[in-house]
Amino acid sequence: QKEVEQNSGPLSVPEGAIASLNCTYSDRGSQSFFWYRQYSGKSPELIMFIYSNGDKEDGRFTAQLNKASQYVSLLIRDSQPSDSATYLCAVNIEGDNYGQNFVFGPGTRLSVLP
Amino acid sequence: NAGVTQTPKFRILKIGQSMTLQCTQDMNHNYMYWYRQDPGMGLKLIYYSVGAGITDKGEVPNGYNVSRSTTEDFPLRLELAAPSQTSVYFCASSLAGLASLYNEQFFGPGTRLTVL
Repeated sequence: QKEVEQNSGPLSVPEGAIASLNCTYSDRGSQSFFWYRQYSGKSPELIMFIYSNGDKEDGRFTAQLNKASQYVSLLIRDSQPSDSATYLCAVNIEGDNYGQNFVFGPGTRLSVLP
Repeated sequence: NAGVTQTPKFRILKIGQSMTLQCTQDMNHNYMYWYRQDPGMGLKLIYYSVGAGITDKGEVPNGYNVSRSTTEDFPLRLELAAPSQTSVYFCASSLAGLASLYNEQFFGPGTRLTVL
C-alpha cells in the first residue's frame, strides 16, 4: 500500500523561529509533492508544490525534496502565530489505479507560540 | 466566484437513515472529488469524477454513491448510514486530473456528519 507519513505533532515553535515539517513516502514512483495548510475547522488550501529535487522557495516557505531518500519537507521561516495550523503533505503517485494515485498524509499540527 | 460550495455544514443522522451531501463548483473544473477526513487522519478519497457522466471509486467507496449530471454539481449519497461514516466530508475540484504533475485541488468548506 502506498503510504505518506508525517509526524502528527504537535510541533511547537516560538514566534520568529524556523518550523520544520517532514514527510516521507513509500512509493519510489512518486512524481510531485504538495503541502496543504488546514486551519482548525476549515478546509485545506495549497501553499507549496514541488516536483524536482532540491529547494523551492516562496516567501517565508521553502519546500525541500530528496527523491533518493523519499523525503519532502516544508520550512517556515520567521514563524508567526497565524501559521498555527495542520500541514498536510500530499503525494502524486504514478500508477494504473487512478483513484489511488493521490495520497494525503495524516498531517502535522504546528503551534507557533507568541 | 464562490469556488466550491457544500451543503449542509452540519448534520446528525440516525443509523440506517440516508442523505445527500451537495457540492457545487463555479470554476468550470472537469475534475471533482469527495474526501472524508477522520480525526488525526489524512484525507481519504471516496469517489472522483473526470467530467459530467463519468465517475469512479476512490480508496474508500463502500457505503457511498455519486452522480455527475452536470459539470458544476457532484452530490454524494449515503445509503443506510452507519456510525463508521461519522466524519468530515470535503468536496474538491481541480483543473487538472490526479495523474497530472501539477494538480491544485480547491476544497469546499466541508460537511460535519455525525451518525448516532
